[in-house]
Amino acid sequence: DAGVIQSPRHEVTEMGQEVTLRCKPISGHNSLFWYRQTMMRGLELLIYFNNNVPIDDSGMPEDRFSAKMPNASFSTLKIQPSEPRDSAVYFCASSPRTGGTSGKNEQFFGPGTRLTVL
Amino acid sequence: RKEVEQDPGPFNVPEGATVAFNCTYSNSASQSFFWYRQDCRKEPKLLMSVYSSGNEDGRFTAQLNRASQYISLLIRDSKLSDSATYLCVVTDRGSTLGRLYFGRGTQLTVWP
Repeated sequence: DAGVIQSPRHEVTEMGQEVTLRCKPISGHNSLFWYRQTMMRGLELLIYFNNNVPIDDSGMPEDRFSAKMPNASFSTLKIQPSEPRDSAVYFCASSPRTGGTSGKNEQFFGPGTRLTVL
Repeated sequence: RKEVEQDPGPFNVPEGATVAFNCTYSNSASQSFFWYRQDCRKEPKLLMSVYSSGNEDGRFTAQLNRASQYISLLIRDSKLSDSATYLCVVTDRGSTLGRLYFGRGTQLTVWP
């Protein structure tokens, strides 16, 4: 079975350029999460969707970041304009559950996009 | 204050050693607990859930102390392949939509 698919795997761009990261969650999963990971700050949740609806975007750093989920099988994270401090690994994860207080809420991560902004 | 705090390490141990990691969480309403493992330059993957009564999976034992808001992971008979970063993860009771809170991770290196 295919896991979470992310593209591109690596992106090198110059400051000021627009960057679009893509994610295809595991089929049938209801929730999708975008994370950013850096050495300094660890793994940070940026935004998450449930049934394609954004639930919490409080982790989005600023207006330069935006995310969409037009359908259950595709999501994008866009940075415009990009800055050197955006350099990080961006992970997309999906989960089969809509939460609740029982059972595990395992999240399945994609391989990540390593972004470098020069 | 971060939701989840971990000792970042690094822990450097010889093969065969027993090593323990600790983690504390700030939200007393936290409901579910996990350990994830992340290999170098790879994505995090679920290692094991943590249950109130404690649970074991082979060489790995996880324990939870709700009163102290403390979670632990014990690895016995360490293998070279255990070298990774171990992430402590919690959810809260109010989160009905699967949000996880990750610690910064504890780095483990097992040497021959």
